[in-house]
Amino acid sequence: NAGVTQTPKFQVLKTGQSMTLQCAQDMNHNSMYWYRQDPGMGLRLIYYSASEGTTDKGEVPNGYNVSRLNKREFSLRLESAAPSQTSVYFCASSEGGGDYEQYFGPGTRLTVT
Amino acid sequence: GNSVTQMEGPVTLSEEAFLTINCTYTATGYPSLFWYVQYPGEGLQLLLKATKADDKGSNKGFEATYRKETTSFHLEKGSVQVSDSAVYFCALIGNSGYSTLTFGKGTMLLVSP
Repeated sequence: NAGVTQTPKFQVLKTGQSMTLQCAQDMNHNSMYWYRQDPGMGLRLIYYSASEGTTDKGEVPNGYNVSRLNKREFSLRLESAAPSQTSVYFCASSEGGGDYEQYFGPGTRLTVT
Repeated sequence: GNSVTQMEGPVTLSEEAFLTINCTYTATGYPSLFWYVQYPGEGLQLLLKATKADDKGSNKGFEATYRKETTSFHLEKGSVQVSDSAVYFCALIGNSGYSTLTFGKGTMLLVSP
């Protein structure tokens, strides 16, 4: 099992460009999440999908959109990148909500110039 | 809303020293509590958890006890190793409806030989 995979690992964008971060899990999990990690800020939830076909906003959703393509895949889109979106992005999945363990991908380091 | 406060780092220790990383929380009801660990260049992984008051979570020599009276979940290890160098995140999840993880800001641990 690969667990949670993310592509790309690194990306540099210019302000105003768009891109999609891809995430896939092979654990048959129902729930998937997108976080961003910034120095001194911990992890903040951007969007989550409690189950296939549903998505909800987290703590910091502005400037992002998501798609739960199927049970395995959950993508994060930046329509018009801004320097404030420079961050490390983590995708995670879990069997469900509550106290189920979340499994994290290796992260995507995004720089917006 | 829910929040988690951790001691600021970095915490620097010599190998075989005793480790404590403090964590306190604010939440309504009876949350579940977690410690996640992030090794350099990797995603987060669950270290231990506790789901009710007075529960003790333990894994790899690390322990934490869910103290409802002091709203705390301090992480301890009796003898740290160089390989324990990482960033440690305290987190909680509420027990009402579909809840998502709330993370502290993380504490970096550096262990020298």
